[in-house]
Amino acid sequence: DIVMTQSPLSLPVTPGEPASISCRSSQSLLHRSGHNFLYWYLQKPGQSPQLLIYLGSNRASGVPDRFSGSGSGTDFTLKISRVEAEDVGIYYCMQGLQVPWTFGQGTKVEIK
Amino acid sequence: QLQLQESGPGLVKTLDTLSLICSVSGDSIGSSGHYWGWIRQPPDRGLEWIANIKYGGNTFYNPSLRSRLTVSVDASKRQVSLKLSSVTATDTAIYYCARLPWDTDYRGFDFWGRGTLVTVSS
Repeated sequence: DIVMTQSPLSLPVTPGEPASISCRSSQSLLHRSGHNFLYWYLQKPGQSPQLLIYLGSNRASGVPDRFSGSGSGTDFTLKISRVEAEDVGIYYCMQGLQVPWTFGQGTKVEIK
Repeated sequence: QLQLQESGPGLVKTLDTLSLICSVSGDSIGSSGHYWGWIRQPPDRGLEWIANIKYGGNTFYNPSLRSRLTVSVDASKRQVSLKLSSVTATDTAIYYCARLPWDTDYRGFDFWGRGTLVTVSS
C-alpha cells in the first residue's frame, strides 16, 4: 500500500497569516499521463469532508483562491495564502493512483 | 442539486452483516464517467477508503475488506449499496458515500453524503 505522511499533525494559525501543510507519499503519484493523483480534503468540525484540490494542483469548484496545491512525485504541499476563521478543521491528503486508495493521518488546523 | 443520503441500522451485532444504502438524487447514477465511492471514519480517527463502483462498469475494493465486502448499484432505485459481512468492533465507523467523477477528469470525491454512524456491538 502507498503510505501517505502529513506534517505537521497540528497547526495553530493566525487569521490573515499564511499556512502550509506537507504530504509525502511512499511511492510516486505521477502517472504516465502526466497527472499526479493527489487530492486534498478539508473536514470542518461536525461535517463531511469536502474536496479542495484534485490532481495535485487543481482547485475544486467553489474553493476560494487562497487555497493552492503544488508538488509532484512524492512531495506535495497545500498552502493557504491568508487563513480565515472558517478554514479550521482537519486537512487530509489522499492518493488515487493505486488500490487501495489511502489517506494521510490528517492535519488539524486551529486558530491560535 | 445533488444529494447523497446514507441510511441503514445504527447498531449491528458482532459477526452479523452490515447493510447500507446511499440514495442519490439530483444526478443520474449512471452518468457517464461517474463512479460512486464508500469511505469510512472510525470515531475520532482518520479516513479509510472502502470501494469505488461504476454503474455497469468496474468495481474496485479495498483488499483489506475484499473478502467481506459487496458493493452494488441499482440505477432504477437510484441507490448504491454496501454489504460488509462478519463485522467486529473495528468496523464501527461513520460510513460516507461520495460521488467520484473519474473517467475523464479524475476529480476525486467531489460530493459527499453526511454519513451514517454504524456501531458494532454484541
